[in-house]
Amino acid sequence: DVKVTQSSRYLVKRTGEKVFLECVQDMDHENMFWYRQDPGLGLRLIYFSYDVKMKEKGDIPEGYSVSREKKERFSLILESASTNQTSMYLCASSLISPGPTNEKLFFGSGTQLSVL
Amino acid sequence: AQSVSQHNHHVILSEAASLELGCNYSYGGTVNLFWYVQYPGQHLQLLLKYFSGDPLVKGIKGFEAEFIKSKFSFNLRKPSVQWSDTAEYFCAVRGTYKYIFGTGTRLKVLA
Repeated sequence: DVKVTQSSRYLVKRTGEKVFLECVQDMDHENMFWYRQDPGLGLRLIYFSYDVKMKEKGDIPEGYSVSREKKERFSLILESASTNQTSMYLCASSLISPGPTNEKLFFGSGTQLSVL
Repeated sequence: AQSVSQHNHHVILSEAASLELGCNYSYGGTVNLFWYVQYPGQHLQLLLKYFSGDPLVKGIKGFEAEFIKSKFSFNLRKPSVQWSDTAEYFCAVRGTYKYIFGTGTRLKVLA
C-alpha cells in the first residue's frame, strides 16, 4: 500500500525553538507538498517541491523553510516557532505527469503542532 | 492568481436528504478540478476529479460533480446522504504543479 509518512502525530514546542517536520513517501513521486490546515481556513500551501533540491513558495511561506535532499523526503522547518504557527501540518505527494487516470494527491496523517 | 471558494462552511442534513456543496474557482488556464474528503480521524482522500470531456463526473460512494465552465463552478452532489458521509469536504484546483484548496465544508448527517 502506498504511503506518506509524517514523523510525528503530535508535537509540542516552545516559542523560539527550531522545529523540523519530516515527511517520507515510498511511491517515487516527484512532487511533494506541505500544507497547514486550520479550521475555517482549509488547506493552505506553504511550500512545494517538484524535484530533489528544488523548492517553490506556496501561498504562506513566511516563517517556514524546506529541504529536499532526497527524492523521498521533504522536510518543513520552522526557524523560530511562534504561537501563530500552531496548526495541523499535512504533507502530500504526487506524480509530476500522472495523466488523468492516476492523478491524485496522497496525504500523510498529519502532525498537530502546538507552540506554547 | 488561483483561488477556490466554498460557500457553505457548515451543513447539517438528515439521512436521505439530498446534498449539494458549492465550489467556485478562479484560474486562467486549463483547470483540473477535484473534491477531496476527510472523514473523522482519517487522511484526506480523493472523492472525484474532472480533467476534460463529460462535465458530469462520478466518484466514489455515490458522489458526483458537475463542471460548469461559464460559471467557474464545480459543485458536489449526492442524491441521498448517509450518516457515514459526515466529514469535511474540500474542493481543489490544480495549476502547473500546485494544488489550491478551498476552505472546506463540514457536513454533519443526522441519523
